[in-house]
Amino acid sequence: KNQVEQSPQSLIILEGKNCTLQCNYTVSPFSNLRWYKQDTGRGPVSLTIMTFSENTKSNGRYTATLDADTKQSSLHITASQLSDSASYICVVSDGYNFNKFYFGSGTKLNVKP
Amino acid sequence: GAGVSQSPSNKVTEKGKDVELRCDPISGHTALYWYRQSLGQGLEFLIYFQGNSAPDKSGLPSDRFSAERTGGSVSTLTIQRTQQEDSAVYLCASGPYSYEQYFGPGTRLTVT
Repeated sequence: KNQVEQSPQSLIILEGKNCTLQCNYTVSPFSNLRWYKQDTGRGPVSLTIMTFSENTKSNGRYTATLDADTKQSSLHITASQLSDSASYICVVSDGYNFNKFYFGSGTKLNVKP
Repeated sequence: GAGVSQSPSNKVTEKGKDVELRCDPISGHTALYWYRQSLGQGLEFLIYFQGNSAPDKSGLPSDRFSAERTGGSVSTLTIQRTQQEDSAVYLCASGPYSYEQYFGPGTRLTVT
């Protein structure tokens, strides 16, 4: 069964600290893996996208890594800011059907001053 | 440019009533998706439109749910005889290709 699991479910960190969010998936084959940021009451916004041949992608203070062999991805946030408080969603697209996406349930990050 | 817009942003309805949710995709985007997001849950695929092709309705949870996309642009998701378990945020996404998605802000539906 194709699944995407994220951990932790929620996380509280102090402003300025770093954190790493995890995503494990069983989707096979897969086309690409995305990390989205979803602010409360808003739709998800794409942070990074990686194909199976890429193992790292950065977007400012956000760095995503991908290990296609172990089917694991992580999102590292450096020098967190209050505005980073949001849910972070890992999404894997199916390698056969490009319109098929598998969503993790997200990690809710709370950055405190 | 303008992003994906959805209306209404919030909808409260009584159990048994019908509701219509609207999605205005980004101009020129051929792919359009509807998802449902229940509290604390991941996004659940509902339906996918691509150009003039027949929509992929495989995610619709029951025959009370239907969607159409007129003229390849605006889409409407209709839920008939709403139930309390239909309460969720309904998200629409559009894309220039099937693997690219830009999400709207969602419609929060509450069935009382």
